[in-house]
Amino acid sequence: GENVGLHLPTLSVQEGDNSIINCAYSNSASDYFIWYKQESGKGPQFIIDIRSNMDKRQGQRVTVLLNKTVKHLSLQIAATQPGDSAVYFCAEAAGGFKTIFGAGTRLFVKA
Amino acid sequence: GAVVSQHPSWVICKSGTSVKIECRSLDFQATTMFWYRQFPKQSLMLMATSNEGSKATYEQGVEKDKFLINHASLTLSTLTVTSAHPEDSSFYICSAKGSGVWGAGEQYFGPGTRLTVT
Repeated sequence: GENVGLHLPTLSVQEGDNSIINCAYSNSASDYFIWYKQESGKGPQFIIDIRSNMDKRQGQRVTVLLNKTVKHLSLQIAATQPGDSAVYFCAEAAGGFKTIFGAGTRLFVKA
Repeated sequence: GAVVSQHPSWVICKSGTSVKIECRSLDFQATTMFWYRQFPKQSLMLMATSNEGSKATYEQGVEKDKFLINHASLTLSTLTVTSAHPEDSSFYICSAKGSGVWGAGEQYFGPGTRLTVT
């Protein structure tokens, strides 16, 4: 369903390691998925997207995996850097219409 | 690339007053704009969808008489919080979508407006 008021889970990684952030989405009809990065006091910033006819898409240092069977989305960040520290949100959309955000994950990168 | 601005970036108002927040698409025409609200340490919650020239569509639980949305042009949407109360204090974020935009982020987000009601 819609996102709920929960405190954000946290992922802490060492600089240089790979990060994996997971997300479960709710709507079986969703056909478009996006990962956003949000730094404190700022609006969301687009990272990468994927359509439902794909199960993997790669960008620069990031990879998104989509498993429609279990309605699961993941974001992999390679060689995580301190500048990657932020809150990451997955989002889903159906039919190109409104985008619904999932619960976020706070990523801490230790130097 | 597509830029969305919001004004003001932060505002403090007294309880009972109204506050207007502007959302502008600077380099593209936004046929649809979205308004989100975000409480501390929480996700973005969609409040309403605004289409140019028509009435906004509000999400369940969002009071349309309290959160007035106007999308008078293809580059401007406004959100007015009427008779604001301390519980309306939040981070309000708009996003804009142009016609034919699909993929590549689909929406472009503004920097947000921090509203504090005292």
